[in-house]
Amino acid sequence: DTGVSQDPRHKITKRGQNVTFRCDPISEHNRLYWYRQTLGQGPEFLTYFQNEAQLEKSRLLSDRFSAERPKGSFSTLEIQRTEQGDSAMYLCASSLVPDTQYFGPGTRLTVL
Amino acid sequence: AQSVTQPDIHITVSEGASLELRCNYSYGATPYLFWYVQSPGQGLQLLLKYFSGDTLVQGIKGFEAEFKRSQSSFNLRKPSVHWSDAAEYFCAVGSMNRDDKIIFGKGTRLHILP
Repeated sequence: DTGVSQDPRHKITKRGQNVTFRCDPISEHNRLYWYRQTLGQGPEFLTYFQNEAQLEKSRLLSDRFSAERPKGSFSTLEIQRTEQGDSAMYLCASSLVPDTQYFGPGTRLTVL
Repeated sequence: AQSVTQPDIHITVSEGASLELRCNYSYGATPYLFWYVQSPGQGLQLLLKYFSGDTLVQGIKGFEAEFKRSQSSFNLRKPSVHWSDAAEYFCAVGSMNRDDKIIFGKGTRLHILP
């Protein structure tokens, strides 16, 4: 069990640029989740996958955000035309059963 | 709508003292309840969870939590804190019915005095 990994750990970008984050879940975990955490707040749910199917998307996930999990293993979260308000920690979690989610270290995005 | 309230943004206790972090939830059915801890620059680590059964739940690192349905509370406790317990603690509620979404509180930052 190597844990959930996320890459990159930090990303600094200029407003208007596109960014992509990657999440590698614990192997054999069929559920994968993305959350966003802003300063002073708890994580907020963005979206989740069961295998390769994206089953739910939060209203927080605007049209500029897209997530994929093409083979039911790793996932990517892309933000197009980044805005300063997108600055946050993006957390990925995975689980085998619904009751326990294991979180990765997160990707901290700073939009200048 | 589901929600979680952690009324204390910051709590400071002396090392060796007891700790209680408060959590109240709002949920229409039987909730699934969690406590997570987040150290600076780290992801979230699950301390304990409650699904059903015994309302006093034991977790890792000497933490425990008690589910009180009548008070809609799930407070976290530790009899004697260590300096390494300084971190941010999040209470969370989940449904595990229609979706696997977890709703988090805003967190309580714990400071430990030497």
